[in-house]
Amino acid sequence: AQKITQTQPGMFVQEKEAVTLDCTYDTSDQSYGLFWYKQPSSGEMIFLIYQGSYDEQNATEGRYSLNFQKARKSANLVISASQLGDSAMYFCATLRTYKYIFGTGTRLKVLA
Amino acid sequence: DAGVTQSPTHLIKTRGQQVTLRCSPKSGHDTVSWYQQALGQGPQFIFQYYEEEERQRGNFPDRFSGHQFPNYSSELNVNALLLGDSALYLCASSFIEEADTQYFGPGTRLTVL
Repeated sequence: AQKITQTQPGMFVQEKEAVTLDCTYDTSDQSYGLFWYKQPSSGEMIFLIYQGSYDEQNATEGRYSLNFQKARKSANLVISASQLGDSAMYFCATLRTYKYIFGTGTRLKVLA
Repeated sequence: DAGVTQSPTHLIKTRGQQVTLRCSPKSGHDTVSWYQQALGQGPQFIFQYYEEEERQRGNFPDRFSGHQFPNYSSELNVNALLLGDSALYLCASSFIEEADTQYFGPGTRLTVL
């Protein structure tokens, strides 16, 4: 069965610094996708970045990049130049048969 | 272009009652999924609707039921509420041919007393 593991319940980062949020996954599928979502206190899940298992390049979207290491089954999110507005919950997820499977999330707090 | 909308925003019920939550998908989307997010947890898949039929279901009891209307909007019904049903309920919509891309609504926060 698919499983997503996020081992960091909470992280702190100083404003303007970079931070890495860890995600490991377990899947028996040959082809799969990995997603990162941001959830502010308002509750809405905001899509950040996607990585396909056959993508040769690591995905990047503005200040977000995904450090994809297939052999290690890890898909860590890197946020560069952190901003106060980045304070939120972050979820790693995979999609299987139309449904998302989420990890337990990491709460990020950006310090001024 | 309106995104996914959900109503109500907040809801307080007592044990044993029944509740209906509503979701309107993003314009052009025909598929609606529902997720339950308990405090401190990631969202858990409840079920998905397409063409007014339940397409797939997660590990939730029959107390959880749903419906999709011809305009693609959807309802989630929960009967015989338990304290453990207190959670944020998220709706996500997508286009059937682009199932990898799901857009979430702001959620309905249900409190069961």
